[in-house]
Amino acid sequence: EVQLVESGGGLVKPGGSLRLSCAASGFTFSSYSMNWVRQAPGKGLEWVSSLNSDSTYIYNADSVKGRFTISRDNAKNSLYLQMNSLRAEDTAVYYCARGFTALVQTPRFDCWGQGTLITVSS
Amino acid sequence: QSVLTQPPSASGTPGQRVTISCSGSSSNIGSNAVNWYQQLPGTAPKLLIYSNNQRPSGVPDRFSGSKSGTSASLAISGLQSEDEADYYCAAWDDSLNGPVFGGGTKLTVL
Repeated sequence: EVQLVESGGGLVKPGGSLRLSCAASGFTFSSYSMNWVRQAPGKGLEWVSSLNSDSTYIYNADSVKGRFTISRDNAKNSLYLQMNSLRAEDTAVYYCARGFTALVQTPRFDCWGQGTLITVSS
Repeated sequence: QSVLTQPPSASGTPGQRVTISCSGSSSNIGSNAVNWYQQLPGTAPKLLIYSNNQRPSGVPDRFSGSKSGTSASLAISGLQSEDEADYYCAAWDDSLNGPVFGGGTKLTVL
């Protein structure tokens, strides 16, 4: 069974840092692009960051450029999101999602994790 | 303000057909495929339609998608109570060099 499980969420103060992890199983992780999508409480979906299967191409939303860093470890079947300089507006449930190919292309995300909540508050 | 524009709400009675629109521009819908997601209350989004009008395995054929120019639509026929959910459109945006989502449409089954 294809599965994605996020971890690392919690409460953090403004200006703080947090690292999210996404553990993948049930598929050949190294063959797929991966993505982070977030959803603020009561709001819609917002794309955050994407990278292709071998990490040679990385894309970030303007709202997180210079603050968030996406990465992956194909040997560990894991995706990460390092979040620095966190702001109140970063408060959201963060989902990792699998792209349908090795390349970052259309947002055809065919498998999603259950999400992890990040709350940025003093 | 989302790059793709959806109506915030839609409704229908069981058995009815409802459509949800998604309006974009030449840099997104006009030149790239549209995907649709269903998010049931308290759950993660689920891919419902990809490449404008294709259904992943397991998605009932009551759900269909279409695209024309810079707009797309999701149609749900034979509406059922379990279809009550939030629906999002998404497409790649060539100007922003990344995916963009619609603001979402909350579907209520009356």
